[in-house]
Amino acid sequence: SQELEQSPQSLIVQEGKNLTINCTSSKTLYGLYWYKQKYGEGLIFLMMLQKGGEEKSHEKITAKLDEKKQQSSLHITASQPSHAGIYLCGADISGAGSYQLTFGKGTKLSVIP
Amino acid sequence: AAGVIQSPRHLIKEKRETATLKCYPIPRHDTVYWYQQGPGQDPQFLISFYEKMQSDKGSIPDRFSAQQFSDYHSELNMSSLELGDSALYFCASGIPAGSYNEQFFGPGTRLTVL
Repeated sequence: SQELEQSPQSLIVQEGKNLTINCTSSKTLYGLYWYKQKYGEGLIFLMMLQKGGEEKSHEKITAKLDEKKQQSSLHITASQPSHAGIYLCGADISGAGSYQLTFGKGTKLSVIP
Repeated sequence: AAGVIQSPRHLIKEKRETATLKCYPIPRHDTVYWYQQGPGQDPQFLISFYEKMQSDKGSIPDRFSAQQFSDYHSELNMSSLELGDSALYFCASGIPAGSYNEQFFGPGTRLTVL
């Protein structure tokens, strides 16, 4: 089974609408990372969250970490076509100073102008 | 700002051939991670190096080997290539410290095995 579950798998929104992507871990999180990927291209680092209750924002993107629920959410306000892409959450869940990231399957976001 | 550099960006090989992928980390980053992303799949961790020593090993096939050199660049060597090795190979670099482990990814090398 997938250790990091992302939902939804895909999302189509009208430009200007808000949206939320969720990432839930089946194991203890030692750090949660959000990346954006254009098809077939590299991963662009968005944000890293480490502490429970932590919330970070960059431009119109906000990410929160609920450590107790082992869950993170990524919220985009007033979406734009430039937000389209695949959003991947990655987490260090192996512990013991491993640092390797395990990724979710990704959420494909399409923004309709 | 300098980013992670990977070369080549695209590579086409025949089955049973060998391939070498290179990764140049962000300056002053001492740790390199390799990931493999198959078509429509999430990235899978292969192997990592810290200060030129292998620090962690994931789902890397025995046909693959990697190393980190004195200048911190890393190379992933792949032998006896199979069709299933066709994927995007990402390198990431970072400076893990305690629980802090920000990884910055390169643009990837797209390997196609025919």
